[in-house]
Amino acid sequence: DTAVSQTPKYLVTQMGNDKSIKCEQNLGHDTMYWYKQDSKKFLKIMFSYNNKELIINETVPNRFSPKSPDKAHLNLHINSLELGDSAVYFCASSLRFDRGTNEQFFGPGTRLTVL
Amino acid sequence: AQSVTQLDSQVPVFEEAPVELRCNYSSSVSVYLFWYVQYPNQGLQLLLKYLSGSTLVKGINGFEAEFNKSQTSFHLRKPSVHISDTAEYFCAVHPTGGFKTIFGAGTRLFVKA
Repeated sequence: DTAVSQTPKYLVTQMGNDKSIKCEQNLGHDTMYWYKQDSKKFLKIMFSYNNKELIINETVPNRFSPKSPDKAHLNLHINSLELGDSAVYFCASSLRFDRGTNEQFFGPGTRLTVL
Repeated sequence: AQSVTQLDSQVPVFEEAPVELRCNYSSSVSVYLFWYVQYPNQGLQLLLKYLSGSTLVKGINGFEAEFNKSQTSFHLRKPSVHISDTAEYFCAVHPTGGFKTIFGAGTRLFVKA
C-alpha cells in the first residue's frame, strides 16, 4: 500500500565503500526525484527523472549516479563514500513535472551514515 | 529564478496557542505554492497548496494559509496547536510549467505543554 518506498531505511558504512539506495512508487507517476537533507534539515534536489529520462542534474559529485530502469523505480548509487555524504536521502514522485501542480509524494527516507 | 525565505528557523509555542509560520517568495513567473510537514523521522507530506482562486487555503490537521500576491507571502496559520503538531514545516514554490520545486529552509515548530 505504501505509495513511495525506499530501501534500506538505515545505511551505515565505511568511507570509500560503494552503496545503493532503491526507490519505488506505485502511484503511476511519471516524474521521480532524489533529495538530500542535511543535519540542519535543508532539502536539496539532486536529480529528477521523467519517464526514465534525466531532466534535473544539480551540482552533485560524479560519485552519485542515478538509474531509472522504468518510470516506477529510481535508484541512487554512490561510489567512494565520504564523510560529507552522511545525510538523509529522500525519494519523491509527482505527476509529469511540467503538467499539473507538481505536488510531490515523498518516501520515508534513507539515513546514510558514513564512518 | 525563484527563491523561498522562511523567516523563522524555530517557533516555540504553548499548546492551544495560535501559531503563524511565515513564508515569503520571489518569482518572475506565476507559481504554485505549497506547505509540507515533516514529522520526526518521516518523509515530507503535503499540508496544503495554493493553485489559483481563493487566497485562503485550508489544509489537513486544521492548518490554513493565505496567499498575498502583493506581499509575495504565503503564511501558514493554525488557531490552536497540539503537541502532535511538533514538526518541521517547509514552504515550497513551483513555477507553472517549470522543472523544479524550490523548498525553503524549513521552520521547526515546537509545541510545549
